[in-house]
Amino acid sequence: DAGITQSPRHKVTETGTPVTLRCHQTENHRYMYWYRQDPGHGLRLIHYSYGVKDTDKGEVSDGYSVSRSKTEDFLLTLESATSSQTSVYFCAISESTGNNQPQHFGDGTRLSIL
Amino acid sequence: QKEVEQDPGPLSVPEGAIVSLNCTYSNSAFQYFMWYRQYSRKGPELLMYTYSSGNKEDGRFTAQVDKSSKYISLFIRDSQPSDSATYLCAMVNTGFQKLVFGTGTRLLVSP
Repeated sequence: DAGITQSPRHKVTETGTPVTLRCHQTENHRYMYWYRQDPGHGLRLIHYSYGVKDTDKGEVSDGYSVSRSKTEDFLLTLESATSSQTSVYFCAISESTGNNQPQHFGDGTRLSIL
Repeated sequence: QKEVEQDPGPLSVPEGAIVSLNCTYSNSAFQYFMWYRQYSRKGPELLMYTYSSGNKEDGRFTAQVDKSSKYISLFIRDSQPSDSATYLCAMVNTGFQKLVFGTGTRLLVSP
């Protein structure tokens, strides 16, 4: 298994509260990604990071922010959670954007916003 | 229309059957194609990774890419109940590694 740990694994919270999800890797990979997975939509990229303090937006970034202060940690923050952000969130890592370096995924965080 | 289309299933087969899973896509710039397997309440696990057109075999799994038809397939021989999972196709163009995923096909292999 790729050394990826996501925390928490499950969370229930209320609309309007801030939420932070953590992804921790032990592979020293440069690239880290946050996805959400929803029925009928598959996996969609929220934000990604290509190095410490270097991040950029993905396909569905509205309402989310990220930070990466260390190579091993990538945080996803829902600034003011809404019910539409109820989803399963996956972190992924890859060694580079070279095309022989596919992404490997963690086991996800199930987030419910009531 | 989605960039990548994948039948959601479920696809139910008996143990030992040959399974064919497929995706179609619209972006001719895609060059690299992946299949991920996802068990319930787990993350996607990379199964196969192929470049451009052609076949790639790994044990009971064969990935096939037909770029002229914008069609990719994953074949599973001698299917086992442990193969029951959701299979996601993913693809990317050259340059930046921004994967585009299909929605997944759920496979059920009965003993």
